[in-house]
Amino acid sequence: SQQGEEDPQALSIQEGENATMNCSYKTSINNLQWYRQNSGRGLVHLILIRSNEREKHSGRLRVTLDTSKKSSSLLITASRAADTASYFCATDESGGSNYKLTFGKGTLLTVNP
Amino acid sequence: EAGVTQFPSHSVIEKGQTVTLRCDPISGHDNLYWYRRVMGKEIKFLLHFVKESKQDESGMPNNRFLAERTGGTYSTLKVQPAELEDSGVYFCASSRAPSYVYNEQFFGPGTRLTVL
Repeated sequence: SQQGEEDPQALSIQEGENATMNCSYKTSINNLQWYRQNSGRGLVHLILIRSNEREKHSGRLRVTLDTSKKSSSLLITASRAADTASYFCATDESGGSNYKLTFGKGTLLTVNP
Repeated sequence: EAGVTQFPSHSVIEKGQTVTLRCDPISGHDNLYWYRRVMGKEIKFLLHFVKESKQDESGMPNNRFLAERTGGTYSTLKVQPAELEDSGVYFCASSRAPSYVYNEQFFGPGTRLTVL
């Protein structure tokens, strides 16, 4: 798998349900970030979790990080139609002064009204 | 606080022409990054400025791409001459300094470049 690879590639749920997306990566990291992209628009920063953190919350978002498995999950609770978007995880590798982000291909989430 | 802005939002040019993309980072953000996404592929890093200095340009595809950040404020990315494979969405992002503490990168809306 590639650095920052999301799973599933596409997810379709009903409004009100929870959505869980997973991300796997290969190298040691400093941080892992989740972004949302609505169709044809820019990337919106959702949340950053540091390598020494295991869980973080922001509103209806819950992110977990398991550095031993090199994986992260993004949970969106009580989903809304407006949550329909592509979701990307991005990592930056630990060590040195390299802060570039490595992205996966994303998960396309569709929330049906 | 204004976000990252990019200009133009769309650009359609002929192969062999030159195009210049502009990015204005969030005020006070010393770090500026360029990324691009070509059709069907992942978003890929191009380069990273810290103020006016190029910190990392390992992702620049070839010497047809030139990025500048004079004065450490806005940045430009010039493609000369453009080729068909340069088509894609070019994103700019910025973050505060120092990077190892403040690496939340905030992205602009992107410039969609189409080379015909």
